[in-house]
Amino acid sequence: QVQLVQSGAEVKRPGASVKVSCKASGYIFINYYMHWVRQAPGQGLEWMGIVNPSGGSTSYAQKFQGRVTMTRDTSTSTVYMELRSLRSEDTAVYYCARGEYGALFDSWGQGTLVTVSS
Amino acid sequence: QSVLTQPPSASGTPGQRVTISCSGSSSNIGSNSVYWYQQLPGTAPKLLIYRDNQRPSGVPDRFSGSKSGTSASLAISGLRSEDEADYYCAAWDDSLSESRVFGGGTKLTVL
Repeated sequence: QVQLVQSGAEVKRPGASVKVSCKASGYIFINYYMHWVRQAPGQGLEWMGIVNPSGGSTSYAQKFQGRVTMTRDTSTSTVYMELRSLRSEDTAVYYCARGEYGALFDSWGQGTLVTVSS
Repeated sequence: QSVLTQPPSASGTPGQRVTISCSGSSSNIGSNSVYWYQQLPGTAPKLLIYRDNQRPSGVPDRFSGSKSGTSASLAISGLRSEDEADYYCAAWDDSLSESRVFGGGTKLTVL
């Protein structure tokens, strides 16, 4: 069965960077896109971007352009999301989600809580 | 605020039918497929409806989706206590540089 296992919770200072990983199993890694979606405490879902595990190409939401980098490692079937220049508003649960190029996210990771606090 | 508009809350009693609306524009719902996600408390979202009205395997047929113009709806019939959750609609938006957009979410309470 499809499984997406994310790295553990992080606490970061404002201005720092965080890198979250998402290890995929149970399917052919390069056959599906991977998205990143975040959810601030008590808030809704927010799409951050997409990475194509096959060639590594990416597309980011305008809000995160210049501050986020999404990469993949095909040898370990893992995707990564790095967010830089963290601020308190970046405190959220970050999810990886497998899917199509559109807005279909058919399997989700368990989420990684990133807390930004001085 | 969110690009797609949902009511913040909805409610119903067991056995009832409830609907949740999702309003957008010609650049998102009006020209692209709509997806619905269910998020139970403390868990990751789960795909409920894809391509406007398709159910993934394992999703009960009590859940159905529809779309007309720039609006979409999720209907839940035979409401059950385990349906109490947050529901989100999503779509691709052509006008926002390939962005995928979500509704603000609707909290469904089973009375």
